Amino acid sequence: NAGVTQTPKFQVLKTGQSMTLQCAQDMNHEYMSWYRQDPGMGLRLIHYSVGAGITDQGEVPNGYNVSRSTTEDFPLRLLSAAPSQTSVYFCASSSDRGNEQFFGPGTRLTVL
Amino acid sequence: GESVGLHLPTLSVQEGDNSIINCAYSNSASDYFIWYKQESGKGPQFIIDIRSNMDKRQGQRVTVLLNKTVKHLSLQIAATQPGDSAVYFCAEVYNFNKFYFGSGTKLNVKP
Repeated sequence: NAGVTQTPKFQVLKTGQSMTLQCAQDMNHEYMSWYRQDPGMGLRLIHYSVGAGITDQGEVPNGYNVSRSTTEDFPLRLLSAAPSQTSVYFCASSSDRGNEQFFGPGTRLTVL
Repeated sequence: GESVGLHLPTLSVQEGDNSIINCAYSNSASDYFIWYKQESGKGPQFIIDIRSNMDKRQGQRVTVLLNKTVKHLSLQIAATQPGDSAVYFCAEVYNFNKFYFGSGTKLNVKP
């Protein structure tokens, strides 16, 4: 199993540009989530999903959209990037809510 | 909002010694708590968790203690090894869906 994969690993955007961060898992996990990690801080939950077709907001959802059309994929969309969204983004999955989460390697995003 | 914090941002220990990493939380309505390890350039890795109705849980070389009276959580690592050097995060989980992470403690293990 590849586990949780994220693409791209690095991305530089200009203010106002849009992009999608990809996340996929091959473990048939129902629960998936997106976090951002800023320097010297812990992870903050952006959005999460408890299964295909179901998403909900986390702690810092503004400026981000998600969808969950399949069990495997959970993309994160930035519609109009802002410098405040410069961060490292992690995707995670678990077999059920409350179980051990497996994290992807992260995407480092810089918004100029 | 909820807050999960750490007492010490950096902890240096000698190889072979025991390490204790602390975490304070503010909300008593959590379902459980998790400790994660994050090595440089990688995503967090699950270490151990503890349900809110427990006081202690042991894993391989690690022990987590939960003191609900003072809202304090600790991770004890026995016989610390150089490979244990990383940033350690505690996380508080609500409704089994929402995870709130602390800011992290960096553990340096000196050979």
